[in-house]
Amino acid sequence: DAGVIQSPRHEVTEMGQEVTLRCKPISGHDYLFWYRQTMMRGLELLIYFNNNVPIDDSGMPEDRFSAKMPNASFSTLKIQPSEPRDSAVYFCASSLGQSEYEQYFGPGTRLTVT
Amino acid sequence: LAKTTQPISMDSYEGQEVNITCSHNNIATNDYITWYQQFPSQGPRFIIQGYKTKVTNEVASLFIPADRKSSTLSLPRVSLSDTAVYYCLVGTEGDSSYKLIFGSGTRLLVRP
Repeated sequence: DAGVIQSPRHEVTEMGQEVTLRCKPISGHDYLFWYRQTMMRGLELLIYFNNNVPIDDSGMPEDRFSAKMPNASFSTLKIQPSEPRDSAVYFCASSLGQSEYEQYFGPGTRLTVT
Repeated sequence: LAKTTQPISMDSYEGQEVNITCSHNNIATNDYITWYQQFPSQGPRFIIQGYKTKVTNEVASLFIPADRKSSTLSLPRVSLSDTAVYYCLVGTEGDSSYKLIFGSGTRLLVRP
């Protein structure tokens, strides 16, 4: 298995633009997690899905952020409109369970909003 | 407020044993404690997981006291390649609902 795949690896955009980050989880994993990592706030859980259904989105910072999982092999995290404070590394992870199994992380997308 | 606390940094020398403790006062009753390692420009990578007492695998041991309000990751005989940031991850039950929370991370520097 290729592991968790994220695209793009790097994204540079201007403030106000829409940004879409993509994730392909490991086949057979029922849970998918989106995280944001910054120096100031560390690793923050934004949202996670179980069987394509959002379970907890309380970590999504504001309405500008949205996430979808239309099927078991694909998820997106969208920021619209983007702001400079959204600059961070965004990780996607997948797992067989909520906490009783390890999470497998993708390589991350480094987002820079100017 | 549910919180997961770790030391910010630790220094060690090659060949020594390193113990990193994470405090998680509000750990959820049925939740596991998981530790991850992260190198620069990479995603976190699983090290070890446990529910109670002691767990050991080929790279680390995890010690969990009976009250489960903390856990200690033990790395035996560290090498230079163990220089990384180490995170604990637990599910917590606070004022609101269940939350999965990463600790703030412990930056381990292994010196020759």
